[in-house]
Amino acid sequence: EPEVTQTPSHQVTQMGQEVILRCVPISNHLYFYWYRQILGQKVEFLVSFYNNEISEKSEIFDDQFSVERPDGSNFTLKIRSTKLEDSAMYFCASSGQGWEETQYFGPGTRLLVL
Amino acid sequence: AQSVTQLDSHVSVSEGTPVLLRCNYSSSYSPSLFWYVQHPNKGLQLLLKYTSAATLVKGINGFEAEFKKSETSFHLTKPSAHMSDAAEYFCVVSEGNYQLIWGAGTKLIIKP
Repeated sequence: EPEVTQTPSHQVTQMGQEVILRCVPISNHLYFYWYRQILGQKVEFLVSFYNNEISEKSEIFDDQFSVERPDGSNFTLKIRSTKLEDSAMYFCASSGQGWEETQYFGPGTRLLVL
Repeated sequence: AQSVTQLDSHVSVSEGTPVLLRCNYSSSYSPSLFWYVQHPNKGLQLLLKYTSAATLVKGINGFEAEFKKSETSFHLTKPSAHMSDAAEYFCVVSEGNYQLIWGAGTKLIIKP
């Protein structure tokens, strides 16, 4: 069964460093998403991406964040200068032919900023 | 604005007894509603989905949920709990835009 994969599973970084979180969505999916879950808090929407551009983003997704689909398979989330409060689990998701379709999630990347 | 309230942060049941995880939502439009499950150290897995077809939705692993518009509820049930059901369960709403709005989660504990 096709699945969304994410790498790395865990990342530890120093405050101010750049991190790139990688995702491989399900191969025939067209819509891609990033969510995050700070420990003990709700899962929060960050951004959605379709046709090589951002479709929607939340207030959390400020200028420190960017997304990219550098090739036909990867979908990345970059945080330019990490802050302590960026420590969270980051989930990538993808959905098929329309925004109304079910989003399938990867296992997440746990980011710890020291 | 959409929101989701999961009424219990923890639910504890004995193996073989029924499970009820409660969820209420608020939405201005006709929402899509989902239940996702997260097992320890695993990703988020879709259990079931409601999108304005039948109000009783059957999902995987014997779970089902009933959409009740008059009560703005979408409670998750299972007739008989199994040890492998121990996980965190999230009720989620979408009004058809790109983002999912998540509840705070309910941890389901199964006692032997």
